[in-house]
Amino acid sequence: AQSVAQPEDQVNVAEGNPLTVKCTYSVSGNPYLFWYVQYPNRGLQFLLKYITGDNLVKGSYGFEAEFNKSQTSFHLKKPSALVSDSALYFCAGGDTGGFKTIFGAGTRLFVKA
Amino acid sequence: EAGVVQSPRYKIIEKKQPVAFWCNPISGHNTLYWYRQNLGQGPELLIRYENEEAVDDSQLPKDRFSAERLKGVDSTLKIQPAELGDSAVYLCASSLTGFGEQYFGPGTRLTVT
Repeated sequence: AQSVAQPEDQVNVAEGNPLTVKCTYSVSGNPYLFWYVQYPNRGLQFLLKYITGDNLVKGSYGFEAEFNKSQTSFHLKKPSALVSDSALYFCAGGDTGGFKTIFGAGTRLFVKA
Repeated sequence: EAGVVQSPRYKIIEKKQPVAFWCNPISGHNTLYWYRQNLGQGPELLIRYENEEAVDDSQLPKDRFSAERLKGVDSTLKIQPAELGDSAVYLCASSLTGFGEQYFGPGTRLTVT
């Protein structure tokens, strides 16, 4: 069965420091992967995606993610965190043969000033 | 470009009552999704449409939930009768393709008392 895991419920980082939000996946075929962000009282917003091509994917608001096939990971990163990055982040994905997107449980990011 | 529209935004009903949610996807998006999101969890797919065809409804509790997508555009999700455990946020999303990035509506927060 397909799965997407976010091993950390919460990540705390100081403003200006780099941040990483972790995601691992398990799919039967070739994966497609996304990161979404959910701000309080707002809908889920697309950040970035990997389907094929370069393993380093750049997205909105300065975020990037690295696809690692050998480690089956797709960690979200940002070189310098902002307080405004504080939100709930979801990793999602599936396999290109089935198109069933599975969401992780989410990781809450707190960026302290 | 207008985003995904959902109504109502909030609904409070007593158990055993029926309820319906409406979604208007982004124009031109062939794929439409209904998700349920419980507090502190990731979205869980209920049903996915490709145009007017339901291609994945394996997670839809068919004894009480039903959905339709009229002419491959708007969609309605219905619960009858509602149970206490149905309290959640119901999200509609759309995408150009089955594995494209999804654009989410603001959701309908359902409270069953």
